[in-house]
This record gives sequence, C-alpha cells and structure tokens, in this order.
Amino acid sequence: GAGVSQSPSNKVTEKGKDVELRCDPISGHTALYWYRQSLGQGLEFLIYFQGNSAPDKSGLPSDRFSAERTGGSVSTLTIQRTQQEDSAVYLCASSATSGRVSDTQYFGPGTRLTVL
Amino acid sequence: RKEVEQDPGPFNVPEGATVAFNCTYSNSASQSFFWYRQDCRKEPKLLMSVYSSGNEDGRFTAQLNRASQYISLLIRDSKLSDSATYLCVVQISGSARQLTFGSGTQLTVLP
Repeated sequence: GAGVSQSPSNKVTEKGKDVELRCDPISGHTALYWYRQSLGQGLEFLIYFQGNSAPDKSGLPSDRFSAERTGGSVSTLTIQRTQQEDSAVYLCASSATSGRVSDTQYFGPGTRLTVL
Repeated sequence: RKEVEQDPGPFNVPEGATVAFNCTYSNSASQSFFWYRQDCRKEPKLLMSVYSSGNEDGRFTAQLNRASQYISLLIRDSKLSDSATYLCVVQISGSARQLTFGSGTQLTVLP
C-alpha cells in the first residue's frame, strides 16, 4: 500500500523567502508528525497532530515555523523568512494511534531544504 | 546533556562479525524504546521495539535496562546490507507521541 509521501523532494530557496512543505500521511492514520534532521544530527521533533485535537507545537524552533493539517489528512509545514540555519531534511511521519503509546511511526522520504 | 546519547562511531566491521551498539537516555519517564535504521539519504525505518525482557529478531537482539537507563542492540553474523546508521529512539509517556532520537551510530560492514 502507499506509504507517507512528501513533496517536494528537494527545495532550494533564497534566504528570506517563504517555503511550504507538504505531507500526505498513510490513509487512515490519525496521527501526523513533523521532524527535521540537520546534517550530522539526530531527528528533532517539530509538531504533532492527533485527530481533531489542538496540535502539539512544542518543538517548533521559532514563530517563523507553522503547520496545519486540513481535513485530518494532508499537512503543510510553512517556514517564513527562511534562514540558512533552516537548511535540513524535513521528515513527516504518521501512525495509526489506536491509543497505545507505542504505535509505529512510518516516515516519508523527506524534503531536503537548502537555504542559500 | 542530550536526552538520548549514542556513540556516533563509525563502526567498521568485517562480514560475519558481531557488533554491539549502546545507548543511554536521561528521562526516567521514558516508556517505549526502539531501534530505527536509516540508510544514507533515506528515511528512518523501524528495526525493532525494545522490551524490558529483551527481544530477538533473527540476527538482531535488543536489550533494555531501566535501572541504568540503557539500551543495546546486538547484530550477529553481520551482512553487507546491515551497513546503515542505527538510531536509538525513546518515547516519553504522556499525551504527546513524539519520538526522541539519538544522533545515530554509523555501521559499515566490510567484505
């Protein structure tokens, strides 16, 4: 079956521009997560959506970052006024979340963002 | 101090060798534990969950020591295809489900 998909796969932008990254979770998965992975670093949690609940935004590094999830499915991560330190791979994951803490998260291939 | 710490390696081992990775976590509220595998320029994929009783999946054995806040992964009879970065991952109890990742341990299996 289809896994998590993300677009674009690569994005090069100029400092100061806004970018939008898209995530399509696995059909039926109620939980959706955004992470980012900087070069040589571990994955860093950004934001978590669960069903219709208010998202957990505790990982967003600044107010330039925002995300929304429409209709409980597709999510868009927006970075405004990009900075060079925003360069990273942005990974989306989804899980079924039947209520158990340990539901497996399935990752998309990521969007590699380069800010010049 | 990082929440999840791993030896970054790299570990370069010959085919057929046994190799062990260790990981420590700092938050005693951690509830679930995993090892993920990440190939170069690819997304992380779940390798196995880690249970208090220890668990085995083929050539892979994972162990958890809650008292010491320590997790390990043992790979026996390593294959060339095992070459990857192995990520130690912790999930803290509570309403949020986000995973906390270690920086990963790089393994290269040599012919």
